[in-house]
Amino acid sequence: EPEVTQTPSHQVTQMGQEVILRCVPISNHLYFYWYRQILGQKVEFLVSFYNNEISEKSEIFDDQFSVERPDGSNFTLKIRSTKLEDSAMYFCASSQLAGGPSDTQYFGPGTRLTVL
Amino acid sequence: DQQVKQNSPSLSVQEGRISILNCDYTNSMFDYFLWYKKYPAEGPTFLISISSIKDKNEDGRFTVFLNKSAKHLSLHIVPSQPGDSAVYFCAASGFTSGSARQLTFGSGTQLTVLP
Repeated sequence: EPEVTQTPSHQVTQMGQEVILRCVPISNHLYFYWYRQILGQKVEFLVSFYNNEISEKSEIFDDQFSVERPDGSNFTLKIRSTKLEDSAMYFCASSQLAGGPSDTQYFGPGTRLTVL
Repeated sequence: DQQVKQNSPSLSVQEGRISILNCDYTNSMFDYFLWYKKYPAEGPTFLISISSIKDKNEDGRFTVFLNKSAKHLSLHIVPSQPGDSAVYFCAASGFTSGSARQLTFGSGTQLTVLP
């Protein structure tokens, strides 16, 4: 069964460093998403991406964040200058349909980002 | 921001019995609701969904009920099995200005099925 994959599974970085989290969405999916879950908190939406551009972004997704689809298979989240509060589990998701009501999002296993 | 609420942080059920997980929402614009299951150190796994034009959707042991007037949905698992022990998240999406939809999650309910 096709699945979303993410690398690395765990990333440790120093505050102020740049990190890139990678995702390979399900191959025939058109819509891509990043969410995060800070320990003990809800899963929160960060950004959605369609047709090589950002569709929507939340207040969390400030200028320190960027997303890219550098080739036909990868979808990346970059954090330019990490802060302690960026420590969280980051989930990539993808969906097939055109953003309609039956748009089921499938999630990857997550990357645990630890900022020291 | 409490647009999707799961008021029970935990639920314990005996194996073979019914598990009922509840979820409330406040945003009338939500028109699609999903349940995800999550094991520790894994991503949310899609379980079942329901569109706002329906009031029930069934898939094997899992049934989701939607009460739009009460802005309430529930997930029934019958019969419950020890492998069902996980955190269950309710999520909702609705029309947005962008072409892709964002999910709003509840805080989750830890289900423990006792053998």
